[in-house]
Amino acid sequence: AQSVSQHNHHVILSEAASLELGCNYSYGGTVNLFWYVQYPGQHLQLLLKYFSGDPLVKGIKGFEAEFIKSKFSFNLRKPSVQWSDTAEYFCAVNAPGGSYIPTFGRGTSLIVHP
Amino acid sequence: GAGVSQSPSNKVTEKGKDVELRCDPISGHTALYWYRQSLGQGLEFLIYFQGNSAPDKSGLPSDRFSAERTGGSVSTLTIQRTQQEDSAVYLCASSPQGAYGYTFGSGTRLTVV
Repeated sequence: AQSVSQHNHHVILSEAASLELGCNYSYGGTVNLFWYVQYPGQHLQLLLKYFSGDPLVKGIKGFEAEFIKSKFSFNLRKPSVQWSDTAEYFCAVNAPGGSYIPTFGRGTSLIVHP
Repeated sequence: GAGVSQSPSNKVTEKGKDVELRCDPISGHTALYWYRQSLGQGLEFLIYFQGNSAPDKSGLPSDRFSAERTGGSVSTLTIQRTQQEDSAVYLCASSPQGAYGYTFGSGTRLTVV
């Protein structure tokens, strides 16, 4: 079974600071990787996903993530955060060759001060 | 519909009562998932339906929890004899066959008092 670790549970930044949220997974086979965002009072929304190909994935709102297979990592980055990026961020993984049930990390709460 | 619809959005119930939570997936999505989101605990998988196959119930925390999906569309999650530890946000998601992306509903916030 796969598992996902998000090591940063709470992150506080000022506007214009750079962001990197860590995500590591444990699974030996081929994986699909996702980042979801949950803005205050809203439902989970897909930020970006990786299935295959270029390991650097661009998502919405200026977010990107890099899949590093050797490190079992899929870290989320944004060069300059905005106050509106304040939200909960979840990393998720599924195994396309087996169960499609996605496993989610515990989430990272990001607060951006204006 | 345009998105995944869940009802009710909020439910307060007394300990020991039964509750039913409803999920309307996106039309045509064959896969449906239930998750539970507790404060600081992330998303806990509960149950997965795929088409007409037998559901994967491996995430259900106890036999008080059950779910069904009628006609391959609407799903109902039932919690019997609710306990205070059942208080959480219950999320439903659906995806096309192959599960290359999941669309979530807004959830049902369950409070057991």
